[in-house]
Amino acid sequence: DGGITQSPKYLFRKEGQNVTLSCEQNLNHDAMYWYRQDPGQGLRLIYYSQIVNDFQKGDIAEGYSVSREKKESFPLTVTSAQKNPTAFYLCASTTDHGQGRVDGYTFGSGTRLTVV
Amino acid sequence: DQQVKQNSPSLSVQEGRISILNCDYTNSMFDYFLWYKKYPAEGPTFLISISSIKDKNEDGRFTVFLNKSAKHLSLHIVPSQPGDSAVYFCAAAFNTGKLIFGQGTTLQVKP
Repeated sequence: DGGITQSPKYLFRKEGQNVTLSCEQNLNHDAMYWYRQDPGQGLRLIYYSQIVNDFQKGDIAEGYSVSREKKESFPLTVTSAQKNPTAFYLCASTTDHGQGRVDGYTFGSGTRLTVV
Repeated sequence: DQQVKQNSPSLSVQEGRISILNCDYTNSMFDYFLWYKKYPAEGPTFLISISSIKDKNEDGRFTVFLNKSAKHLSLHIVPSQPGDSAVYFCAAAFNTGKLIFGQGTTLQVKP
């Protein structure tokens, strides 16, 4: 079955450490996205990539980094520079970008990151 | 500056009645609007969308209405069922595909 896999589901990080969240999709989607969910603030865009080897900052990119070396994979690194990293992180992908119709994204099941 | 706003954090309705979730936006250049449903600790799932050139789209129990002059859209669920209890996110998109989400509204449908 096609879909998006995020791992791990729960992640604990000590302050000052970098941590990488995995996102893999087998949907043959070109575009991939990382969102962060905080209570009362909805989903905020961190980074997105519309093609391999290219990515763009979203609204809250500070303290995060990404790579897009393969079409299927879009890992997100939460660096020690991110001041408030505890959140629920969601990865998404879509094949519809710039094509005139947006049916919606396919989301992964998320990773809950907690700084301890 | 929040371009998509859901001003009601929560809504409670009785089973069988209509649920109306509201969303306002500020950018008149959005091309599409979408609604997502989300359960705790899961990713959002796509519900229904509407193009900016239309004013209504219906899919089963779900209908989305778009009022461009008021920059307002709403999602109607009729009849509401207990399984509809979730967080509902409104989202707006340009043709580039990037989605901008609202804050979400938690719907509780009581049996």
